[in-house]
Amino acid sequence: AQSVSQHNHHVILSEAASLELGCNYSYGGTVNLFWYVQYPGQHLQLLLKYFSGDPLVKGIKGFEAEFIKSKFSFNLRKPSVQWSDTAEYFCAVNGRPGSARQLTFGSGTQLTVLP
Amino acid sequence: NAGVMQNPRHLVRRRGQEARLRCSPMKGHSHVYWYRQLPEEGLKFMVYLQKENIIDESGMPKERFSAEFPKEGPSILRIQQVVRGDSAAYFCASSRGQSNQPQHFGDGTRLSIL
Repeated sequence: AQSVSQHNHHVILSEAASLELGCNYSYGGTVNLFWYVQYPGQHLQLLLKYFSGDPLVKGIKGFEAEFIKSKFSFNLRKPSVQWSDTAEYFCAVNGRPGSARQLTFGSGTQLTVLP
Repeated sequence: NAGVMQNPRHLVRRRGQEARLRCSPMKGHSHVYWYRQLPEEGLKFMVYLQKENIIDESGMPKERFSAEFPKEGPSILRIQQVVRGDSAAYFCASSRGQSNQPQHFGDGTRLSIL
């Protein structure tokens, strides 16, 4: 069974600080990897995704993530956060063709950016 | 383009009643997924459906829960004889047929059991 671990439950940063949110997964096969963001009272929005190719993936709003296969990691980064980045961030994984399509989510990281 | 539409946004039921949650996928999407989010937890997969077919229901409780995605109309998640532990946010997602297509989520239905 696949699982996803997000190391930080709650992160508090000041504006302009750099961000890195950890995500590790366990899965026996080839995976697709995702980061979703959930702003207060809103639905989950896709920040970025990795299917194949360049392991450094750029997403919306200045976010990027790096897939490191040897470490089973897909950490999310942003060089300079803004107050509007305050939200909950979820890492998720699903299997490649022929295996399960449903997403397995981490427990989420609540990011609070102080103005 | 309308996104994934879920209704109602909030649903209050008393113990023992039935809850019906609806989800209309994005236009062009034929795959629907239901997830449940308990307080302080991430989303947990419940069921995956295509039109008129349940593909994977491995995450759905064996009793009281059922889901359908008819040929016409929205997907329905039905919870019979609700209990306090069913209180959660229920999210629907949809995607196109290809496996490398991401899932797009609705706003969720927040179910409260009195």
